[in-house]
Amino acid sequence: EVQLVQSGPEVKKPGESLRISCKGSGYRFTSYWISWVRQRPGKGLEWMGKIDPSDSSTNYSPSFQGHVTISADKSTSTAYLQWSRLRASDTAIYYCATPLFTTVPNPRDYWGQGTLVIVSS
Amino acid sequence: SSDVTQDPAVSVALGQTVRITCQGDSLRNYWASWYQQRPGQAPRLVIYGKNNRPSGIPDRFSGSSSGNTASLTITGAQAEDEADYYCHSRYSSGDLQVFGGGTKLTVL
Repeated sequence: EVQLVQSGPEVKKPGESLRISCKGSGYRFTSYWISWVRQRPGKGLEWMGKIDPSDSSTNYSPSFQGHVTISADKSTSTAYLQWSRLRASDTAIYYCATPLFTTVPNPRDYWGQGTLVIVSS
Repeated sequence: SSDVTQDPAVSVALGQTVRITCQGDSLRNYWASWYQQRPGQAPRLVIYGKNNRPSGIPDRFSGSSSGNTASLTITGAQAEDEADYYCHSRYSSGDLQVFGGGTKLTVL
């Protein structure tokens, strides 16, 4: 069974650093890139960027370029989203997601359960 | 432009048909996908490609596209269809992605 399992909720202060994780299982982790999606409280989905775990190449939305870093460790099938200096406006639920799995009988994508990040002084 | 825009809210009477639209330049080159999100849940893909439904998505959901506009149609809306719906597209040679602002569907 394909699963993306994300790390638990975090409460941090502005200016602190943070790394959250997304562990894939049930499929070849290096075959599909992982995207990160932000959802602020009561707001819509925002695509942040993606990583190809096979070579760690990344693409970032211009809205997030320079503020977050996406990385992956293919040895542990885990993708990461990292901030060096959090802001209150980073308070949100963060989802990781795969693209559509097309080489299966029933194509679908997969999403993690979401990680709540609260940034407050 | 990378932006894709949606109407913020739409309502439909139970059992009637509703169309949710999404507009953006990227939709001239890439198929839209559509996601349903119920409160407290992760998004769920309901339409991808030209008009494809993942397994388990009822056939009352369908997708279409014309020019810079993509549409999600629910034929015979049910109470459980009340949710937020997001269109999703690629742009910039397919390397980048974008979500629309979302449409809140109310089933009356």
